[in-house]
Amino acid sequence: DQQVKQNSPSLSVQEGRISILNCDYTNSMFDYFLWYKKYPAEGPTFLISISSIKDKNEDGRFTVFLNKSAKHLSLHIVPSQPGDSAVYFCAARSVRNTGKLIFGQGTTLQVKP
Amino acid sequence: EAQVTQNPRYLITVTGKKLTVTCSQNMNHEYMSWYRQDPGLGLRQIYYSMNVEVTDKGDVPEGYKVSRKEKRNFPLILESPSPNQTSLYFCASRKDSSYEQYFGPGTRLTVT
Repeated sequence: DQQVKQNSPSLSVQEGRISILNCDYTNSMFDYFLWYKKYPAEGPTFLISISSIKDKNEDGRFTVFLNKSAKHLSLHIVPSQPGDSAVYFCAARSVRNTGKLIFGQGTTLQVKP
Repeated sequence: EAQVTQNPRYLITVTGKKLTVTCSQNMNHEYMSWYRQDPGLGLRQIYYSMNVEVTDKGDVPEGYKVSRKEKRNFPLILESPSPNQTSLYFCASRKDSSYEQYFGPGTRLTVT
């Protein structure tokens, strides 16, 4: 049972354009969401997070939007840069078990120069 | 430098030969976790620990053991490895009140 889903395995965008990565979840007890970026041969690195009491969080070129009614979150990267090419994972935490993080399958983003 | 270290980075072994992957963090974090990454499945949590001597199962704990005798170390033990445990393994740590996890560089394990 995949509680966090990233339905697009890959995404390709042109440099300077917007990248939108999507994530859906099923568990209404999730109260905190995170995005991680992963380059080949490295561990994932934290990118941005959002609490369920908010619907938007910005950090520079990165913005995460949360739509609780649709159980959907998205990561916007504007403008996209070739260095953003990586695998992006969304993750969620349940208020009932703060020790566990549930990750999606990941989306590979390619930003073309 | 704040970091999570894992050893070994690469390991090829045979079915049934016990192995341990070490994990150490220098940030005094309370929480530590082990994940495995497989194609199409993303990162799945194996075990996690909320402090010394406190561990709990993640989503895929079968075939693995962990221990947390010291705050900085969280080894992953495969008592009798099988080919379905061939995967890329990541250790991670975070502070109690923060969900920004720091990941190690990964251990590529192949069980033949």
